[in-house]
Amino acid sequence: NAGVTQTPKFRVLKTGQSMTLLCAQDMNHEYMYWYRQDPGMGLRLIHYSVGEGTTAKGEVPDGYNVSRLKKQNFLLGLESAAPSQTSVYFCASRTVDGTYEQYFGPGTRLTVT
Amino acid sequence: GQSLEQPSEVTAVEGAIVQINCTYQTSGFYGLSWYQQHDGGAPTFLSYNALDGLEETGRFSSFLSRSDSYGYLLLQELQMKDSASYFCAVLQTGANNLFFGTGTRLTVIP
Repeated sequence: NAGVTQTPKFRVLKTGQSMTLLCAQDMNHEYMYWYRQDPGMGLRLIHYSVGEGTTAKGEVPDGYNVSRLKKQNFLLGLESAAPSQTSVYFCASRTVDGTYEQYFGPGTRLTVT
Repeated sequence: GQSLEQPSEVTAVEGAIVQINCTYQTSGFYGLSWYQQHDGGAPTFLSYNALDGLEETGRFSSFLSRSDSYGYLLLQELQMKDSASYFCAVLQTGANNLFFGTGTRLTVIP
């Protein structure tokens, strides 16, 4: 099993450009999450999904959109990138119950100039 | 709202024991988790406490006191590879989301 994978690993955008980050998991997990992590900070939740076709806002949703058309994929979109969105983005997934353990992808390092 | 407090940095000697504390304020509490993150890496799950008391997993233990809104992570027989950041995270009511603290950077010295 590959676990949670993220594409791309690195990206540089100019202000105003758009892009989509892809997260894929092969563990048949119901829940999926998008976080951002800034230097010296913890992880802040952007959006999450509790199942295929459903999404919800987290702590810092402004400037981002998401879609969960397939259970295994969770897409994060930036419609008009801003320098404040320079960050490392992590995707995570988990099952419905148990220890509530979240499995994280390797991250995407995004720089907006 | 919610807030989590944990020390920003801790230094400990190889082979020793270290305790990382976490206090929380949240409008709805379901449980407390701990994650480890090495520099440049992804967070990995260490433990989850829903009930008061101590949970032990090998060299790592985690404690929760719901009445004190307090928990800690205990690392024993420290190894150099334990140098990393450690995050406490509250699982909020509804059990959908985690709210993370800002992390404690542990440095293990010889």
